[in-house]
Amino acid sequence: GAVVSQHPSWVICKSGTSVKIECRSLDFQATTMFWYRQFPKQSLMLMATSNEGSKATYEQGVEKDKFLINHASLTLSTLTVTSAHPEDSSFYICSASSRVVGEKLFFGSGTQLSVL
Amino acid sequence: GENVEQHPSTLSVQEGDSAVIKCTYSDSASNYFPWYKQELGKRPQLIIDIRSNVGEKKDQRIAVTLNKTAKHFSLHITETQPEDSAVYFCAASSDGGSYIPTFGRGTSLIVHP
Repeated sequence: GAVVSQHPSWVICKSGTSVKIECRSLDFQATTMFWYRQFPKQSLMLMATSNEGSKATYEQGVEKDKFLINHASLTLSTLTVTSAHPEDSSFYICSASSRVVGEKLFFGSGTQLSVL
Repeated sequence: GENVEQHPSTLSVQEGDSAVIKCTYSDSASNYFPWYKQELGKRPQLIIDIRSNVGEKKDQRIAVTLNKTAKHFSLHITETQPEDSAVYFCAASSDGGSYIPTFGRGTSLIVHP
């Protein structure tokens, strides 16, 4: 199957700093990438959908100025958590899809963010 | 929008027993239903999926059934093994919605040796 790489796998940062998470599709061109947030023992909450070369579409309640998403190429999307606070601590997962792979989603390995 | 309900939230079985997880969806336009398995701290992995033009699909010990009329679909795992222990998510999506999935809340399956 298609491979999606996500880095870093975990990060600890101080409150007020910004953190960037990268999501790469390694063997296919991802026309669409999704960013999810997952709290312990809970489901995947869609934060935003990004298409290459266009602005991300954010879900209701997700602050676009706090969670900056850039999908600059067909293989890379980044999520930047700006001015992180302890309540931003969570597991963030990206996924990617493309017309080639159709309706299937392929997930990154996730990033555990801990804000002190 | 789509709403997916998943039950039960927790399922505990003995090794060798069968496990069934059920999901219902609200949008009759949904036509693609994947199931994901997520182990603790890891990425969700697609284990089986079904499209609305079939009623059942099987892959070794895993099967999925779909009832379009009732808008529900189920995951069946037979001869469960301890390594089946994980959280399972169902999802529903449609080509009209660009296959953006709506996920169920997840079922924590525990298989006791």
